[in-house]
Amino acid sequence: KAGVTQTPRYLIKTRGQQVTLSCSPISGHRSVSWYQQTPGQGLQFLFEYFSETQRNKGNFPGRFSGRQFSNSRSEMNVSTLELGDSALYLCASYEGAGANVLTFGAGSRLTVL
Amino acid sequence: GENVEQHPSTLSVQEGDSAVIKCTYSDSASNYFPWYKQELGKRPQLIIDIRSNVGEKKDQRIAVTLNKTAKHFSLHITETQPEDSAVYFCAASYDDKIIFGKGTRLHILP
Repeated sequence: KAGVTQTPRYLIKTRGQQVTLSCSPISGHRSVSWYQQTPGQGLQFLFEYFSETQRNKGNFPGRFSGRQFSNSRSEMNVSTLELGDSALYLCASYEGAGANVLTFGAGSRLTVL
Repeated sequence: GENVEQHPSTLSVQEGDSAVIKCTYSDSASNYFPWYKQELGKRPQLIIDIRSNVGEKKDQRIAVTLNKTAKHFSLHITETQPEDSAVYFCAASYDDKIIFGKGTRLHILP
């Protein structure tokens, strides 16, 4: 089975721009979660999707949004980028609908200048 | 609110000694507690997990204990080896999401 695939792996943006990150889960996994990883803050929960529905959202401003498609692929979008948005964005997929073993992608490293 | 506290943030142990990382959670409804290891430049990977109907689980040199009353859970690594050097994250389930602690950087000293 192919693992969780995230694109792009690296990107550089400037303040005020917007960015879209993509995550393709393991085949058969219908749940996708997104996390922001920064030094000292660990893995902060962004959103969780199951069958195209956002079931949970973390404590991030409305500039952070996401969606999930019928094939379980997910995207997240950050608008009006700020310097503090520089981070590694990780997505993870898992089977079923309840809390379960997360399989992470390699992440998308965003640098905001 | 949903919170997972993890201590210590940094831990150095002599090779061959044991390492213990402790976490607390805030919601008594949490029922799933995984631990992830993240090596430098790599993605987090599950090393062990425990559900709330079990008090202890062991896998070779790694063990996890859970105290539901105190809302504490701990990771124990025995006979540490150089390849154990990494950042370790504890986590707890809240509804259908997994909330992580801030991580413990474990250094294994030669």
